[in-house]
Amino acid sequence: AQSVTQLDSHVSVSEGTPVLLRCNYSSSYSPSLFWYVQHPNKGLQLLLKYTSAATLVKGINGFEAEFKKSETSFHLTKPSAHMSDAAEYFCVVTYTGTASKLTFGTGTRLQVTL
Amino acid sequence: GAVVSQHPSRVICKSGTSVKIECRSLDFQATTMFWYRQFPKQSLMLMATSNEGSKATYEQGVEKDKFLINHASLTLSTLTVTSAHPEDSSFYICSARVAGTPTYEQYFGPGTRLTVT
Repeated sequence: AQSVTQLDSHVSVSEGTPVLLRCNYSSSYSPSLFWYVQHPNKGLQLLLKYTSAATLVKGINGFEAEFKKSETSFHLTKPSAHMSDAAEYFCVVTYTGTASKLTFGTGTRLQVTL
Repeated sequence: GAVVSQHPSRVICKSGTSVKIECRSLDFQATTMFWYRQFPKQSLMLMATSNEGSKATYEQGVEKDKFLINHASLTLSTLTVTSAHPEDSSFYICSARVAGTPTYEQYFGPGTRLTVT
């Protein structure tokens, strides 16, 4: 079965410092991987996606992620955190043939302090 | 961009009653809608997939008679929790897929928090 593991349930960074949110996936088949962000009272928003093209994926709001097959990882990074980045982040995987079922990680809450 | 709304955003009901949650795609036609459940500090769990005009496909372990899903039009899907009990209290999120787009692209609603007393 497909799965993703988000290694940190909570990450706290200072504004202006780098962000790293970690995600590992199961490697049964070639995956498509996504990062979603969930702000309070808002729907989940797609930050970026990897679908077997370039391994370094750039998303919205300055976020990017790198697909590393050897490490089965898809970590999310941002060079400089902003207060507005505080939210819940979900790593998500799907595989060809799963009829578009998305499997979500347990989420990482990002806190940004002054 | 594609917007999905849910109504109500929050509902409290008494044990044994039924409650209906609506999911609407506001500016696009959604041939497929998905219903998820999210427990506190846990990930979203897919409950069912519904295609317009046909019966929903439920995930293993989800009671189809308890969680009734109707997708009668290309812009509206409803989830009815029948004979609700406190253990049904949760955050319910719907998503919608635009016809003709990659199957993995889903647009999510803001969620509905259900509390059963």
